[in-house]
Amino acid sequence: EDQVTQSPEALRLQEGESSSLNCSYTVSGLRGLFWYRQDPGKGPEFLFTLYSAGEEKEKERLKATLTKKESFLHITAPKPEDSATYLCAVRTAGGTSYGKLTFGQGTILTVHP
Amino acid sequence: DTEVTQTPKHLVMGMTNKKSLKCEQHMGHRAMYWYKQKAKKPPELMFVYSYEKLSINESVPSRFSPECPNSSLLNLHLHALQPEDSALYLCASSSLVSHNEQFFGPGTRLTVL
Repeated sequence: EDQVTQSPEALRLQEGESSSLNCSYTVSGLRGLFWYRQDPGKGPEFLFTLYSAGEEKEKERLKATLTKKESFLHITAPKPEDSATYLCAVRTAGGTSYGKLTFGQGTILTVHP
Repeated sequence: DTEVTQTPKHLVMGMTNKKSLKCEQHMGHRAMYWYKQKAKKPPELMFVYSYEKLSINESVPSRFSPECPNSSLLNLHLHALQPEDSALYLCASSSLVSHNEQFFGPGTRLTVL
């Protein structure tokens, strides 16, 4: 069974304190790993897609990386507005052309000024 | 336009009511999804439509009835719901020919009394 585990469950940072969020996965045939940001009471906002080990994507203060077993979301010099829940999801081979995603439980990030 | 819209934003209904949730996208995506999200949990897939046909039903109770009238619209008809059905209902869409990133709407906050 496909599994996605995110750690830590919650992370509190001071503004400017860089850190990383982890997403480890056990899947049969990875067809993409996705990072989303979700603010309370709102829908997930798409951030990145990663497909192969060694791939990296960047957007402002965020950088996502992928290995064969895990992905990291690095946050450099975070600001309070980066506070949100960060969700990792994987799409696995299943014979369909659309994406059935398996989500991790998320990491709640709080950045204090 | 990379926006998925959902109406209403909030819905309060009794257990004997019939109501509908609506979702619309104009990105030309041919896959559309309904998710249910409880507080502090990741989204759970309910239904997938591919080319306006129901492709996946994740064993959802029949009191939830999806409908895809055309390639831009997705409805979720609700009838005889239970209080435990109270949740954030999210709609998403994705392409069937590219990397299948799913784009989510803002959600409908449903409360069943």
